[in-house]
Amino acid sequence: RKEVEQDPGPFNVPEGATVAFNCTYSNSASQSFFWYRQDCRKEPKLLMSVYSSGNEDGRFTAQLNRASQYISLLIRDSKLSDSATYLCAVKTGSARQLTFGSGTQLTVLP
Amino acid sequence: GAVVSQHPSRVICKSGTSVKIECRSLDFQATTMFWYRQFPKQSLMLMATSNEGSKATYEQGVEKDKFLINHASLTLSTLTVTSAHPEDSSFYICSARLAGGLNEQFFGPGTRLTVL
Repeated sequence: RKEVEQDPGPFNVPEGATVAFNCTYSNSASQSFFWYRQDCRKEPKLLMSVYSSGNEDGRFTAQLNRASQYISLLIRDSKLSDSATYLCAVKTGSARQLTFGSGTQLTVLP
Repeated sequence: GAVVSQHPSRVICKSGTSVKIECRSLDFQATTMFWYRQFPKQSLMLMATSNEGSKATYEQGVEKDKFLINHASLTLSTLTVTSAHPEDSSFYICSARLAGGLNEQFFGPGTRLTVL
């Protein structure tokens, strides 16, 4: 079983739609959780950290469910510029290295 | 945010040659740097964790003699792909963690390696 699993998509949604991504992790000792955005042929960029109490940044809401070991990302009122691959990442281990999910591809259509 | 650079951004080489990729933290000191590899339509896979002044820790399945990592200073880590073959063609990305920092890693822009 992979350490971090994501639905690869692709998700094709119209502008203005709400879209949700989920990610599950296998290591219950995982310490920190993140969502990254990666554009084609570019490095991943941190979108937001995920906190136990849930957190929101504009149109983006992230949630963590430690009991079920999953994290989620909700994008409201999606824009064309939201088209990208969204990677969840989990930090585990003494070196606190990041383990990435396989990414979920989102295309927002006009 | 902190800036990490990588050089070169793209390299094309013949099979059997060695390629060196540099990763620099430009405006901060990084005691730990990470090297990732990403094949098309796949996720980033951690190759190794590099600590300044000590040997790198390689992930399972990554050959340490093929992927040489040197982290000689707090701002520079290098990855050398020795005797590169076409299957080594990939997108190599480094990231750096602030000295004393707890969480955030800053990613370099990546190096696209194509081995002919």
